[in-house]
Amino acid sequence: GAVVSQHPSRVICKSGTSVKIECRSLDFQATTMFWYRQFPKQSLMLMATSNEGSKATYEQGVEKDKFLINHASLTLSTLTVTSAHPEDSSFYICSASTTGPGETQYFGPGTRLLVL
Amino acid sequence: ILNVEQSPQSLHVQEGDSTNFTCSFPSSNFYALHWYRWETAKSPEALFVMTLNGDEKKKGRISATLNTKEGYSYLYIKGSQPEDSATYLCAFHLRANNNNDMRFGAGTRLTVKP
Repeated sequence: GAVVSQHPSRVICKSGTSVKIECRSLDFQATTMFWYRQFPKQSLMLMATSNEGSKATYEQGVEKDKFLINHASLTLSTLTVTSAHPEDSSFYICSASTTGPGETQYFGPGTRLLVL
Repeated sequence: ILNVEQSPQSLHVQEGDSTNFTCSFPSSNFYALHWYRWETAKSPEALFVMTLNGDEKKKGRISATLNTKEGYSYLYIKGSQPEDSATYLCAFHLRANNNNDMRFGAGTRLTVKP
């Protein structure tokens, strides 16, 4: 149980284009989903937290107009990197949890984004 | 700024060796400490969640301890096997708000040589 999928696993795009990444909880309902970014040899850095049906809460320094998050259902959240630039190249990974603080987060396998 | 530090950054051991590594975290506003195992090209897998000072958890050959007063957790692997090769992440859950967010260390990358 507690499987989270993420698609695509890898994407290469041109500078200026937008890229959408999907995160799905396959066998449970996720009231909360999280988006992280990881640069080489660094920690997973939380970008935003989203609850189903409400606006995402962004961490300080994360541009909400650039990283659009939609959590339209209890099993799907999307992250759209708008007008991507080479500095947005990174590893993006989502996680999902059921309810309540302290709950274990279940992770997707991540998406490697390369912006040329 | 919440610093979660893991050491060592990487570790190479021989099959059969026992090993351990450390996660250090802020001792204030503690809620929970999580350990994850992350194999290359796979999703991080939840190993343990610990909430009480003195907690000890065990799963097969892997165990973990927690000291919330001094802000550290140890992960132990007894008799390491090549399949234990992975990056081990710890995550500190802060009691400050209602969001279920965690702050991660950079991980300890373990390589077990046959």
